[in-house]
Amino acid sequence: TQLLEQSPQFLSIQEGENLTVYCNSSSVFSSLQWYRQEPGEGPVLLVTVVTGGEVKKLKRLTFQFGDARKDSSLHITAAQPGDTGLYLCAAHRGKLIFGQGTTLQVKP
Amino acid sequence: NAGVTQTPKFRVLKTGQSMTLLCAQDMNHEYMYWYRQDPGMGLRLIHYSVGEGTTAKGEVPDGYNVSRLKKQNFLLGLESAAPSQTSVYFCASSYPRGTQETQYFGPGTRLLVL
Repeated sequence: TQLLEQSPQFLSIQEGENLTVYCNSSSVFSSLQWYRQEPGEGPVLLVTVVTGGEVKKLKRLTFQFGDARKDSSLHITAAQPGDTGLYLCAAHRGKLIFGQGTTLQVKP
Repeated sequence: NAGVTQTPKFRVLKTGQSMTLLCAQDMNHEYMYWYRQDPGMGLRLIHYSVGEGTTAKGEVPDGYNVSRLKKQNFLLGLESAAPSQTSVYFCASSYPRGTQETQYFGPGTRLLVL
């Protein structure tokens, strides 16, 4: 059983569409991170959210930490082909635990 | 400043062969990690180290050994490779910052065990 459940596991959309990726858990976390992994490379940290209800924006990406600090979402506005990749949420439980990832494909 | 580097990038092994994966970081990080990544399973921690000369087991340590003789290097060994160890292996490093720790990853090593 995954401590962090991501949905959907795979998403294929057209350039310009909006999308939301979810990261859910039954556990409470003091912080949650989102990483992006491009094909053939290692994950790179996008953001860390630490406060319940917190919203952070990174250009067209909006990250939200749930009020109860059990879940998080990543919303991308007007997706571009450069957004293609694997999106991973992660949280600390002694060590960093990762969700299984959401593979995003943005077609031109 | 190369960050985290891994060698080799790709390797094919036969069942029963041994090999060592090398990870090097030039950021003076205390912590280093080895993960494996398999389809649909995210990243799973194999072993980690919180400082030179210390190592500890992660979530999936069986079949692997590690050593951290120098602060900048973390080696992952497979003593007798099995097909179940076919995976992409990532090394990461970080400063100890509790729950806001940022891990910096290498580009990965693709291993195929026949």
